[in-house]
Amino acid sequence: RKEVEQDPGPFNVPEGATVAFNCTYSNSASQSFFWYRQDCRKEPKLLMSVYSSGNEDGRFTAQLNRASQYISLLIRDSKLSDSATYLCVVNALSGNTPLVFGKGTRLSVIA
Amino acid sequence: DGGITQSPKYLFRKEGQNVTLSCEQNLNHDAMYWYRQDPGQGLRLIYYSQIVNDFQKGDIAEGYSVSREKKESFPLTVTSAQKNPTAFYLCASSIIRGGTGGTEAFFGQGTRLTVV
Repeated sequence: RKEVEQDPGPFNVPEGATVAFNCTYSNSASQSFFWYRQDCRKEPKLLMSVYSSGNEDGRFTAQLNRASQYISLLIRDSKLSDSATYLCVVNALSGNTPLVFGKGTRLSVIA
Repeated sequence: DGGITQSPKYLFRKEGQNVTLSCEQNLNHDAMYWYRQDPGQGLRLIYYSQIVNDFQKGDIAEGYSVSREKKESFPLTVTSAQKNPTAFYLCASSIIRGGTGGTEAFFGQGTRLTVV
C-alpha cells in the first residue's frame, strides 16, 4: 500500500459546484496533515493544515478521520481560480520523517 | 522578505556533466529537503537534512549528492551517474517541532533541469 493515496482525477466541475477530495494514508503514527495546492509548472503552496477537529478556511473545509486514516478537502462554490492540483501531505510522529506527498488530484473548474 | 530561493530557474546540462542547484533560506528553519517531480507525477524525496553537517538519503538518492555546511544553504549536485536527470527540482524547508512531528514545509520556486 502506498503511503499516501489520492484519486488522481481529473475532476471537471462547473463554477459554483462543491467538490470533495479524499486521501488515505498508511502510517497510523502520522501526526501532521496538510493540503497543498500546486499550479501548473509552479511550486506547491500550503493551502491549509488539517486538524483532528476539522477546520475551515473560507470556502475550504478539511477533515481528518484517524480511525479510517483518511483526510478530506471540501471546496464549496468553486471558482475558476481553484483549478489546480491538490496534494495531500502527511508527516509521521518523530519529526525525523519528512513530509510524504500524495501524487495529487487535479481539479478543473469550468465556466 | 523571508523565503526560500532556488537558482537557477532553468538549467541545461550536457550529458556527463555534474551540475549544482542552489537552495537558500532565511526562515531560520532547521530542516531542508530536495524533491524531484516528473511530469504528471508526485514529489519524490531525494535528500533531506535536519541539522548542519548531517543529511539523510530519501527514496531516490542515487546519482545525487548534497551538503549542509550552513543552516541557510542546502545545495544539490546532480551527478553524471543520474541516468535520467531531466525533471523539476524543488527545495523546501520546515521547522521541526519536537514530539509532535514536523510542520508544514515551504517551497522554493523550483529549478527545471534539462539534459541536452
